[in-house]
Amino acid sequence: DAGVIQSPRHEVTEMGQEVTLRCKPISGHDYLFWYRQTMMRGLELLIYFNNNVPIDDSGMPEDRFSAKMPNASFSTLKIQPSEPRDSAVYFCASAFGPLGAALFLKREKLFFGSGTQLSVL
Amino acid sequence: GIQVEQSPPDLILQEGANSTLRCNFSDSVNNLQWFHQNPWGQLINLFYIPSGTKQNGRLSATTVATERYSLLYISSSQTTDSGVYFCAVSGGTSYGKLTFGQGTILTVHP
Repeated sequence: DAGVIQSPRHEVTEMGQEVTLRCKPISGHDYLFWYRQTMMRGLELLIYFNNNVPIDDSGMPEDRFSAKMPNASFSTLKIQPSEPRDSAVYFCASAFGPLGAALFLKREKLFFGSGTQLSVL
Repeated sequence: GIQVEQSPPDLILQEGANSTLRCNFSDSVNNLQWFHQNPWGQLINLFYIPSGTKQNGRLSATTVATERYSLLYISSSQTTDSGVYFCAVSGGTSYGKLTFGQGTILTVHP
């Protein structure tokens, strides 16, 4: 498998523009996560999906951020309008099975994509 | 939420040395994972280890859940081990919500 695939690798945009980040999870994984990494705040979970359904979006910083997962092989994270403080590396990650659930015997590791380096000028 | 504290924040080694990285967490966990972020930014999963001990080559990890800490051992370090090591945990009913520590920056000199 090719792993988690993110695009673009780098995005430079101007304040006020719409930004769309894309992610293809590992085939068969039913959990998908969006993380953001900054020097000040480290790695933060923004939102995660299970079977294409958003489970927890409490980490989404504000209404300018939205995420969708229209099918099991694709997800987007959109920022509209973008602001300079949104500059960060955005990671997508996927996993198989409900991590840590007692009823399941198989618990898998979290696999990350290569990230999108976003710069908002 | 669960607090995660990693130590030391920075570690500098000569190639061939051994090291121990520590992760303390504030509450019981049902999920604990160690990651390595290489100098190119790629995050690689090293271990899923909410309890017990695992080994993978020169790396091993031990989690003592009752005492709320985990240790990552690196033996015979190599320059390719350089990067940032993160511990991430989740607990309670928040199975998927991994909280990451601030990381340990490891530099291995030849």
